[in-house]
Order: sequence, then structure tokens, then C-alpha cells
Amino acid sequence: QVHLVESGGGVVQPGRSLRLSCAASGFTFSSYGMHWVRQAPGKGLEWVAVIWYDGSNKYYADSVKGRFTISRDNSKSTLYLQMSYLRAEDTAVYYCARDVIPSTDYSGSGSYDALDIWGQGTMVIVSS
Amino acid sequence: EIVLTQSPATLSLSPGERATLSCRASQSISTYLVWYQQRPGQAPRLLIYDASRRATGIPDRFSGSGSGTDFTLTISSLEPEDSAVYYCQHRSNWPLTFGGGTKVEI
Repeated sequence: QVHLVESGGGVVQPGRSLRLSCAASGFTFSSYGMHWVRQAPGKGLEWVAVIWYDGSNKYYADSVKGRFTISRDNSKSTLYLQMSYLRAEDTAVYYCARDVIPSTDYSGSGSYDALDIWGQGTMVIVSS
Repeated sequence: EIVLTQSPATLSLSPGERATLSCRASQSISTYLVWYQQRPGQAPRLLIYDASRRATGIPDRFSGSGSGTDFTLTISSLEPEDSAVYYCQHRSNWPLTFGGGTKVEI
């Protein structure tokens, strides 16, 4: 069964750092682009970042560029989001999500950018 | 950054009725448009990608259409479990962006 399980959320003071993890199981993790998407309380979805299947390219939302870093360890089937210089507006549920199509099934990009498997989310609260 | 505008904000309908949700892009995105459903307290669920391709396991009462800047998600005959917020998302370039959502009340 395909699963994504996020961890690492919690309460953190503004300006501090936090690292989220997403453990994948039930599929060949190294074949898929992976994403982080967040949702502030009562708000809509906001895409945060993508990393290609092989880690060769990463792209970010303007709101987190320079503060957040997405990475992956394909040997551990784990996705990460290192968040630094956190702000109150970063308070949200953070979801990791998988591309619907493995990168081996198409050409031209290392991520397909339509998200079919989502974790349950981990809450991050930035507050003093 | 491509802006996606969804309308209406809320749609109140009865079971068995047809729902038509709109998503408009600020520039042409070909057919690089994705639709998700999010029920309260749950993670989003992929419904449609590439404007009209139904994801695995999605009932055929859900259909998508459109290209360029104007897209539509149609639910042909509403079921009570279709009560949710529906989001569109483009995958034309980075950064990916989502629309603000349409809440469907049944």
C-alpha cells in the first residue's frame, strides 16, 4: 500500500528553524518527483517546493525561496523540508505529496507536477 | 507567476444535480491543469489531471474540460459525499499555483 507519513511539525519561535520529514513506502520512491504543499488554518492550498526524482533540480514558491530547502534521500525513501528563519505566516499544515506519474514514464522534466498521493500532514505553528 | 481564479466561491446544490466549477488562468497553460477535492479534515485528493484525464479510482461523474485559459470541472450528478472544496492547480511552469477553491455544499 502506498503511504506518505510526515513528521517533525510542532511549535517554534519566529526566526528559528525546523526540519520536516516524509517517509514513503509502497512504491519506488526514487522514480517520482516529490512536493511539499502547505495549508494555513482555514485557508487554501499553497505549493511550497518540488524536487526531481533524482534530486537534480529543485524549485520553490517565492514566499519560501532562500529560507526553505527541499531534499531527499532515495536510499531511505525519505523527503525533507528544512525550514529556516520561520515567520508567523509559515504557520500551516504541511503535506508531502507524490507525482501521479513516475519520471521514467515521460521525458522533458524530472517531475510531472500533478499530485496523487498525499500524506496526512504535519502542523507547524510559528509563535513566540 | 500564473494566477488561477476559481468561480463561484460557493455552490449550493441538491443531490442528483449537476455542478459546474470554473477555473481561469492569467495566461495560457495549454492543458496543464489539475483538479483536486478536499473534504473537511482530509488531505486533498487528485481528481483530474491534464485538464481531462481522470485519476485512478475517480468516478466517471467527474469530468474536466478546457484548454488555454478557461477550464471546467463538471460533476454530472451530485452525491452527498461530493461536499468538499475543489481546487485547481496548474503545472505549466514553476512556481506551481493553486486557485482559491470552490466550496460545494450539498
